[in-house]
Amino acid sequence: NSKVIQTPRYLVKGQGQKAKMRCIPEKGHPVVFWYQQNKNNEFKFLINFQNQEVLQQIDMTEKRFSAECPSNSPCSLEIQSSEAGDSALYLCASSLFGQTNTEVFFGKGTRLTVV
Amino acid sequence: AQKVTQTQTSISVVEKTTVTMDCVYETRDSSYFLFWYKQTASGEIVFLIRQDSYKKENATVGHYSLNFQKPKSSIGLIITATQIEDSAVYFCAMRGDTNAYKVIFGKGTHLHVLP
Repeated sequence: NSKVIQTPRYLVKGQGQKAKMRCIPEKGHPVVFWYQQNKNNEFKFLINFQNQEVLQQIDMTEKRFSAECPSNSPCSLEIQSSEAGDSALYLCASSLFGQTNTEVFFGKGTRLTVV
Repeated sequence: AQKVTQTQTSISVVEKTTVTMDCVYETRDSSYFLFWYKQTASGEIVFLIRQDSYKKENATVGHYSLNFQKPKSSIGLIITATQIEDSAVYFCAMRGDTNAYKVIFGKGTHLHVLP
């Protein structure tokens, strides 16, 4: 069973409001991923970290989205000004060293609804 | 570009039977890793099984096994003796050397196991 912890499980925000979600990766996993899963079950990669450093991020993330993984604190993903299209399941995952021979373990997700 | 395709959107089977879910992938990497995940109704994503591209033997874990056909770029998931609780959405995923920090997912196959 995955030991990636995401909070909160559910988040409801009005358009234009900030939305912040947190993730504690599995102990010993230095690589953290954030994905957005839409209602069609499609996964969209947002950003990943190795320790505190951003490895990759998509354009969307660079604009309204911000994320960090500070040392000794939970990782976080924040949407600065929520839009209706941001309503989705946000999934945090972690793995060992980004090596390709290791699977990625997911948290239970934060379901964001923007009203 | 890497791509994972699951053409079956939904499958229904009677419990205690065997089901196979299809997945084909595209990659130019010489070494890559293939995964299957299960997403329950609550949204939780569980890692099931992994196949390393350099291994000829099909992976098996519990009542999950893989049918890896490398020349066809195919990695099917076989579930034997299905149970009601196997009802979920199953995702095929890939991670390759050139993009080791990103996992590419298919769109999922919804499995319904009927009594």
